[in-house]
Amino acid sequence: AQKVTQAQTEISVVEKEDVTLDCVYETRDTTYYLFWYKQPPSGELVFLIRRNSFDEQNEISGRYSWNFQKSTSSFNFTITASQVVDSAVYFCALLYTGTASKLTFGTGTRLQVTL
Amino acid sequence: NAGVTQTPKFQVLKTGQSMTLQCAQDMNHEYMSWYRQDPGMGLRLIHYSVGAGITDQGEVPNGYNVSRSTTEDFPLRLLSAAPSQTSVYFCANRRSQAFFGQGTRLTVV
Repeated sequence: AQKVTQAQTEISVVEKEDVTLDCVYETRDTTYYLFWYKQPPSGELVFLIRRNSFDEQNEISGRYSWNFQKSTSSFNFTITASQVVDSAVYFCALLYTGTASKLTFGTGTRLQVTL
Repeated sequence: NAGVTQTPKFQVLKTGQSMTLQCAQDMNHEYMSWYRQDPGMGLRLIHYSVGAGITDQGEVPNGYNVSRSTTEDFPLRLLSAAPSQTSVYFCANRRSQAFFGQGTRLTVV
């Protein structure tokens, strides 16, 4: 069975602080993909990143960075110098490949960034 | 190029009523799915389809039907609405990543 755990339900930070959102996953597959999505207060789901299981390189995109570690089954997301516009719910998701593959989501982490 | 379009955006139903949530895509992706989002539970898969004429159940299929007569459309039917189906519903298609519709906020009273 596939499972994604986001243990942090809510995080509050002050603007300009760095914040890390944790994501731990379980899968028996050797080939899979991991995702992060952002859901701002307006409600839509915005794709942030996709990482395949064979690529453990960390990725940086502006203030966002992702740390993928297969040894600990984790795919953590860090926002550097957070801003109020980063306030949203963030979802980590796992897609295993194969017949009728399904995208499995974690329960999400609500990030509140205040001035 | 609209991507994935869901209608309606908001709906209030009475218990026992039926309705269809519409989902259409213009991206020609084979895979489409419906999720429901409830507080503290993330997004849970209701039904999915890997192509026209092929559908299958996800994690929480009870009380919902789907059909896929064309690649473009994937409607979700609530047969007899119940308060437990109050939720936000998202339709998505997928190739290398999932593209989501804007969501439908459904309230069953």
